[in-house]
Amino acid sequence: LAKTTQPISMDSYEGQEVNITCSHNNIATNDYITWYQQFPSQGPRFIIQGYKTKVTNEVASLFIPADRKSSTLSLPRVSLSDTAVYYCLVGLSMDTGRRALTFGSGTRLQVQP
Amino acid sequence: DTGVSQDPRHKITKRGQNVTFRCDPISEHNRLYWYRQTLGQGPEFLTYFQNEAQLEKSRLLSDRFSAERPKGSFSTLEIQRTEQGDSAMYLCASSRQVNEQFFGPGTRLTVL
Repeated sequence: LAKTTQPISMDSYEGQEVNITCSHNNIATNDYITWYQQFPSQGPRFIIQGYKTKVTNEVASLFIPADRKSSTLSLPRVSLSDTAVYYCLVGLSMDTGRRALTFGSGTRLQVQP
Repeated sequence: DTGVSQDPRHKITKRGQNVTFRCDPISEHNRLYWYRQTLGQGPEFLTYFQNEAQLEKSRLLSDRFSAERPKGSFSTLEIQRTEQGDSAMYLCASSRQVNEQFFGPGTRLTVL
């Protein structure tokens, strides 16, 4: 599985856009990029997944450059409730394979008022 | 059924005792996963079921650990002869596809 590198922590203020970048230099051709969010004392929650270019949903956007060696999770206008740990995962595919998720240490986002 | 449930939410036990945790997945999900999470780290995969078949086990799952999923519904994770190093959050997840897994709230185990 491709190794991922992301910042340990980030700070932001309410209303700002937050961009969390993840490096995955060894990403394989069939690998997708997936982001999860985890609040304290809760299990992780799926945010978004993409393969290339840009993906947007009601929660976030995911930007993936052409070489796919990195990706950026963008959270528009964060609020205090976005304070959480964000995990970047690489190595899954949309098929029905049985591989489990491999989490790193994640990025701890702290949103201040 | 609004999500994955786990029971108990908290368990305190003495070293050497056996403990069992239960996970009830989302009803239409045939895949079920167990993870372990320690403070400051991301979840680590333990084992995976597709229906009632246990298809994958991590090397983290020592012989003191056993998991079952009878009839492909709920699952149990048992730890025998607990050690202090077993103290962690045990998370269960279920899915239809591997990419989007739905996690339960976890069971926090403290071994004294």
